[in-house]
Amino acid sequence: HSALTQPASVSGSPGQSITISCTGTSSDVGVYNYVSWYQQHPGKAPKLMIYDVSNRPSGVSNRFSGSKSGNTASLAISGLQAEDEADYYCSSYTNTNTILFGGGTKVTVL
Amino acid sequence: QVQLVESGGGVVQPGRSLRLSCAASGFTFSNYGIYWVRQAPGKGLEWVALMWFDGTRPNYADSVKGRFTISRDNSKSTVYLQMNSLRAEDTAVYYCARDLSVGAGEVWGQGTTVTVSS
Repeated sequence: HSALTQPASVSGSPGQSITISCTGTSSDVGVYNYVSWYQQHPGKAPKLMIYDVSNRPSGVSNRFSGSKSGNTASLAISGLQAEDEADYYCSSYTNTNTILFGGGTKVTVL
Repeated sequence: QVQLVESGGGVVQPGRSLRLSCAASGFTFSNYGIYWVRQAPGKGLEWVALMWFDGTRPNYADSVKGRFTISRDNSKSTVYLQMNSLRAEDTAVYYCARDLSVGAGEVWGQGTTVTVSS
């Protein structure tokens, strides 16, 4: 399995909405609804933002939402805020009982 | 409170071994799967190993299979990562995480740093 594919960077102005894509294959994203999204600020541990494609853990803002179509999952952030500036990673369970991460996307708030 | 604390990191020569520990508190440890995830300096996240809640069917990334072994001691609420035949490319911050769903790490430790260098 190769790493899931994410754009290297995405940017937006405060208040705008952005979307980050995560492309896998029919062996991972396309076959399982076990896609997660993480936010990581510099020097900090990752924080789970979305699990099982579209579920938000308790305490995560509803400005974050997840979806999936075919082999591509997406994370949408609405009402972009300065605190959303961070690295974002997707992950997926695979048909070899392993977990794959994406390469990460740096979100910049202009 | 719910907490995971990693320990055991350090500087080690190539080919040597190291054992990391992930100590849990604040929840019923035996009900949860635990992952190890690492992050090389300036790089992205890489999943390393998974130990299911019942201790069966550990899974490993290809990059560590045959060299790393994950285990758990429910009596001590601790998961271990035995790392043998270490390589320079194993240099990273190693995190443990508790699962919320399959592949979803809900609670993370602060990380422990492993440096493999001669």
